[in-house]
Amino acid sequence: SQQGEEDPQALSIQEGENATMNCSYKTSINNLQWYRQNSGRGLVHLILIRSNEREKHSGRLRVTLDTSKKSSSLLITASRAADTASYFCATDTTQGGSEKLVFGKGTKLTVNP
Amino acid sequence: EAGVAQSPRYKIIEKRQSVAFWCNPISGHATLYWYQQILGQGPKLLIQFQNNGVVDDSQLPKDRFSAERLKGVDSTLKIQPAKLEDSAVYLCASSFRVGGYTFGSGTRLTVV
Repeated sequence: SQQGEEDPQALSIQEGENATMNCSYKTSINNLQWYRQNSGRGLVHLILIRSNEREKHSGRLRVTLDTSKKSSSLLITASRAADTASYFCATDTTQGGSEKLVFGKGTKLTVNP
Repeated sequence: EAGVAQSPRYKIIEKRQSVAFWCNPISGHATLYWYQQILGQGPKLLIQFQNNGVVDDSQLPKDRFSAERLKGVDSTLKIQPAKLEDSAVYLCASSFRVGGYTFGSGTRLTVV
């Protein structure tokens, strides 16, 4: 079953603009991760934010986490055409004593040159 | 360190045929996962191994899918017989600690 739900499903912006993607989830988490996937390629890990963290930065990426609202956002600043890809949030949870990573449906980002 | 290796990269089969995918995780990673990603959707966990034991296979269609991880290292995922709706990318991932997942490049299966 899917845990995370990304919003919007698709986003189209111009190069240089900022892109914001949101993710909502349902259960308690160990951490939340964001991945990128170019068409037909593998998943690339972007950033991990732990449940006790509220904000994290990595280069042009900024992730926030609000555990009270069970939501996270990924901000890509000064977007580039090369940022065109699908972005997935994934929640890392412990269920029945084992850790698992559950993905949302993704946001398809198109950055127009 | 070497990444998670998967083969083959692509596979085209006819419905009702069988197919097998192979995954070699990162050395020392005790946990191994198989995901199915249908076009336009997020990856869905099929089965999770801890060493050579199954931890979670609740979303594995056991009437046609099987997986094993002999000796707690390499793993194979098999589909027999394949259906059209099995067309997807099959991703293998491994981890050794909380949050430390590494994904392979996947096997793209097309069932015609």
